[in-house]
Amino acid sequence: QVQLQESGPGLVKPSGTLSLTCVVSGGSISSTNWWTWVRQPPGKGLEWIGEIHHSGSTNYNPSLKSRVTMSVDKWKNQFSLKLSSVTAADTAVYYCARQYYDSSVLIDDWGQGTLVTVSS
Amino acid sequence: EIVLTQSPGTLSLSPGERATLSCRASQSFSSSYLAWYQQKPGQAPRLLIYGASSRATGIPDRFSGSGSGTDFTLTISRLEPEDFAVYYCQQYGSSPPYTFGQGTKLEIK
Repeated sequence: QVQLQESGPGLVKPSGTLSLTCVVSGGSISSTNWWTWVRQPPGKGLEWIGEIHHSGSTNYNPSLKSRVTMSVDKWKNQFSLKLSSVTAADTAVYYCARQYYDSSVLIDDWGQGTLVTVSS
Repeated sequence: EIVLTQSPGTLSLSPGERATLSCRASQSFSSSYLAWYQQKPGQAPRLLIYGASSRATGIPDRFSGSGSGTDFTLTISRLEPEDFAVYYCQQYGSSPPYTFGQGTKLEIK
């Protein structure tokens, strides 16, 4: 059973860079094509940030594209998110996740989420 | 980018009643790539429906999805106390960005 666990600083200063890592355990990161980041501001809805293929290809949300960088580290079996020039509007719970088909059945796995607060 | 609009924003019903939630897309896309999620406070979203009408593993059959093109519906046939939560639709797997609707809060009347 693959498990996902987000980690990173819970507090980031305005104009700084938010950096999070999602460690994949119980399976290889190469076993799933695309790995995803989703965020949720307190009391608000879900926002798809983007996805990264285990080969390193990426798709980003156009609204965040200029500030987002995703990367994958196969050796450490993890993938990462960097969001630059953060403001209070970037305060959110950040989730890592994956979706894949197993015999035509869609399966998804999510991390528990980590709250990142942008504040001085 | 496909914009998904959910209605109503809040739905107040009693246990045992039927719930009908709507998700309308700004442009038509394949129903193969429409999912519904349930989210409870402090928890990650839980996949309920994919491909517009297929129940995810372990999801009770009181949950059903339908629709095509730009109009999709999630129906909960008979509400159980544990069904009161926030529900999101999402288009996925075809053309990123994979947007979510803004959510429908299902609350106890």
